[in-house]
Amino acid sequence: DTAVSQTPKYLVTQMGNDKSIKCEQNLGHDTMYWYKQDSKKFLKIMFSYNNKELIINETVPNRFSPKSPDKAHLNLHINSLELGDSAVYFCASSSLSGGLGDEQFFGPGTRLTVL
Amino acid sequence: AQSVAQPEDQVNVAEGNPLTVKCTYSVSGNPYLFWYVQYPNRGLQFLLKYITGDNLVKGSYGFEAEFNKSQTSFHLKKPSALVSDSALYFCAVRAIYGNKLVFGAGTILRVKS
Repeated sequence: DTAVSQTPKYLVTQMGNDKSIKCEQNLGHDTMYWYKQDSKKFLKIMFSYNNKELIINETVPNRFSPKSPDKAHLNLHINSLELGDSAVYFCASSSLSGGLGDEQFFGPGTRLTVL
Repeated sequence: AQSVAQPEDQVNVAEGNPLTVKCTYSVSGNPYLFWYVQYPNRGLQFLLKYITGDNLVKGSYGFEAEFNKSQTSFHLKKPSALVSDSALYFCAVRAIYGNKLVFGAGTILRVKS
């Protein structure tokens, strides 16, 4: 049983294109996150949604737009892709209503390569 | 602002020897502290966390970590390393009244047989 799933696993595209990454969790969590891991493995939060409401929006170019249709899904749409967007994008989920000490569960990642 | 420092890019240890992966943090107020492990081409897996209570926390796969408030440290330890422990380890901190988890830069652990 997959707890946090992401599609696609790999995404290779040309500069200037628009692409989306989808994330789904079946853990019943109320909060979902998008992280970016760069080539040096540094991991940084991008966005977080709690019950479909945006609660974290880091300094991310507005080409990146998250969308949460319901508590179990958080998608990431990227417009006008640039070379610097190449990274691994991780989705995660947690239960904030259970207390801020609840750990986050991560998806397997989407490796985005912009050519 | 919260921050996490993992001072070692890589830790090398022989199989069967004890291992320590270091982590220090900076946060306003009391912290929530976490350790995660990432195997190649995989997502992060939760190992253990400190919320409150006993300073020695035990987690998955025989790992433990000790919270030291005076030294603002949360070092990850294991009494006897396995080759299969080789991976990338991340320490993370969240302020007790915040909702953002901040990760350290990660430490590669290599266990040689």
